[in-house]
Amino acid sequence: ETGVTQSPTHLIKTRGQQVTLRCSSQSGHNTVSWYQQALGQGPQFIFQYYREEENGRGNFPPRFSGLQFPNYSSELNVNALELDDSALYLCASSLNPGLGPSPLHFGNGTRLTVT
Amino acid sequence: GQQVMQIPQYQHVQEGEDFTTYCNSSTTLSNIQWYKQRPGGHPVFLIQLVKSGEVKKQKRLTFQFGEAKKNSSLHITATQTTDVGTYFCAGPWGYQKVTFGIGTKLQVIP
Repeated sequence: ETGVTQSPTHLIKTRGQQVTLRCSSQSGHNTVSWYQQALGQGPQFIFQYYREEENGRGNFPPRFSGLQFPNYSSELNVNALELDDSALYLCASSLNPGLGPSPLHFGNGTRLTVT
Repeated sequence: GQQVMQIPQYQHVQEGEDFTTYCNSSTTLSNIQWYKQRPGGHPVFLIQLVKSGEVKKQKRLTFQFGEAKKNSSLHITATQTTDVGTYFCAGPWGYQKVTFGIGTKLQVIP
């Protein structure tokens, strides 16, 4: 059983640039959620994807967007980067949300630094 | 306003002492989950509680879900240095999916 993998592990971008983060879900999981974790804070929910559709969104602006592919892998795109976007971005996979609460399995995250 | 409060935010204990963290919600929850995040790591799922008054144990860890399903606790007996990390409660607050509390950072002094 393969776990959740994220790439890249670290990234440095300049304010105003765009970034794409990638996530491969754990085998057997069809749902992917993205979280932003600032230093010393709890993970903040960005959005969730299920069956290639957005299935819930947190309080993040539209410049945060995502995709899910037929193989359940996912991308998080952030446009017009701001300094406050510097954080650890976590991807978590889980089972079908319609089956009830399901544990989240997290990847190691991508550490994004915006300068 | 804030929907979940987790206390304390920080806790230093001597190795061998007990530790408890509390999670309080302003709304009734269908379920609650607990996660542990080691320094420099990612959150790792510990347990899920669904039933009112439910108590679950994992070795030295005891998890409890309140009767009103608005609060939960995690108790660690006889802490060890391997227990160091931040413990998060997480639940379906509002219309969001799994939402995390601010966490309790546990330091264990050997």
